[in-house]
Amino acid sequence: DAKTTQPNSMESNEEEPVHLPCNHSTISGTDYIHWYRQLPSQGPEYVIHGLTSNVNNRMASLAIAEDRKSSTLILHRATLRDAAVYYCIASYSGGGADGLTFGKGTHLIIQP
Amino acid sequence: DAGITQSPRHKVTETGTPVTLRCHQTENHRYMYWYRQDPGHGLRLIHYSYGVKDTDKGEVSDGYSVSRSKTEDFLLTLESATSSQTSVYFCAISESEGGTVNTEAFFGQGTRLTVV
Repeated sequence: DAKTTQPNSMESNEEEPVHLPCNHSTISGTDYIHWYRQLPSQGPEYVIHGLTSNVNNRMASLAIAEDRKSSTLILHRATLRDAAVYYCIASYSGGGADGLTFGKGTHLIIQP
Repeated sequence: DAGITQSPRHKVTETGTPVTLRCHQTENHRYMYWYRQDPGHGLRLIHYSYGVKDTDKGEVSDGYSVSRSKTEDFLLTLESATSSQTSVYFCAISESEGGTVNTEAFFGQGTRLTVV
């Protein structure tokens, strides 16, 4: 898996959009960008993943830079329940023999 | 939610004793994983399984063994627990096969193990 770099923590206000950045300058052409989040005292949960094009789902949007060296996870309207550690992972597979390589992630704090 | 159950959820054990953690899934997924999570670290892969009786080592496998005799169960054993194995252990499952990327991993709730 390619190395990823994320800010240690970020703070945002409830009901405002949140943009979580991730740098992955050594990503290979076949690596997907996966985002997981971990709520307090829970296991990680899948958020979104993509390869080149921007992706949307019910939880979030993923914006991928044209050169793929960075990406941004967008929470359109943060709620208190979105307070979690967010992990960005650059990996060929979401599972398989390699599993997932987690860094330290970004601790997202949501202020009411 | 994906059907993954870890047991026990909490355990305190003494140094030198054997400990077995169980992961049970009802999703019939092919891949199963054991991770550990320590303060200041992300999750680190201990062992994984790609089928019944098919297992392999991950990044931090020393001191751990695993077994998978049925699709639904993946056991993690600490043969002789040490204080350095105090951690939160997570089981995960996925359906991904080699080269298949359109999948996601599902994680259990974790087992908090304390070795005293």
